[in-house]
Amino acid sequence: DQQVKQNSPSLSVQEGRISILNCDYTNSMFDYFLWYKKYPAEGPTFLISISSIKDKNEDGRFTVFLNKSAKHLSLHIVPSQPGDSAVYFCAASARNNAGNMLTFGGGTRLMVKP
Amino acid sequence: DAGVIQSPRHEVTEMGQEVTLRCKPISGHDYLFWYRQTMMRGLELLIYFNNNVPIDDSGMPEDRFSAKMPNASFSTLKIQPSEPRDSAVYFCASTQMRTGLHGYTFGSGTRLTVV
Repeated sequence: DQQVKQNSPSLSVQEGRISILNCDYTNSMFDYFLWYKKYPAEGPTFLISISSIKDKNEDGRFTVFLNKSAKHLSLHIVPSQPGDSAVYFCAASARNNAGNMLTFGGGTRLMVKP
Repeated sequence: DAGVIQSPRHEVTEMGQEVTLRCKPISGHDYLFWYRQTMMRGLELLIYFNNNVPIDDSGMPEDRFSAKMPNASFSTLKIQPSEPRDSAVYFCASTQMRTGLHGYTFGSGTRLTVV
C-alpha cells in the first residue's frame, strides 16, 4: 500500500503561469515532508521541505503548503520557467523513527512550455 | 565533496548474466540507501544500511538481488541472474541522520538494461 501518492503522473503548464503539484499521504506519523526535483540522467535533488508544525514554507519561486487534516501537501511554482521541467517527487518522513526514513511518491513529470 | 558516486552510469547485459552496481557515499554519512526507479512504481527503496550494517532489505524484490557494504565508503548491489524486468535506473543515496533534515543526497544513477 502506497503511503505517499502523487496522483498526477504528468502536468503541462505555460511559461510564466503557476504550476501546482499535489501529494497525498496516509501515515499520520509523518511529520516532515520534502520535495525533490529530478532531471533526466541525474539523481533527484532536494528542493524544499516543510515540518508538520508549519503549514507553509516559501523559498523564492517555490512554496510548499501542508494541510495536515487532509493529509495533503502541494508544491507551487510561480512563475514557472522552462528550466523547471523535470520530475518532481514528494517524500515524507516520521522523524521519531530510526533512520529518518523517507517514503517517496511515484513522481509527477512537469513540462513548462515556452 | 564529489557527492554520491555511482558506477557504471549505464549497463547493458544479457539475461542470465550477473550485474554489479557500485556506490561511494559521501564521506561521513552514516546511512546508505539503494533505490530503483521505474515508470510504474516511481522510487522504490530496495535496502538501506546504517554504519555499514543492513537494516531493512524488505524492498529487495527477490533472492536474485543482494547488497553489501564492506566499509563506510563502498557499497554494491548485485543481481544474479539478471532478467529483463530488472531493467530500471538504480540510485544510491546517503545521508547523515544527525543533520539529515534536508533528506538524502542521491547519486546520478545506473541505468540497467537487461536484454
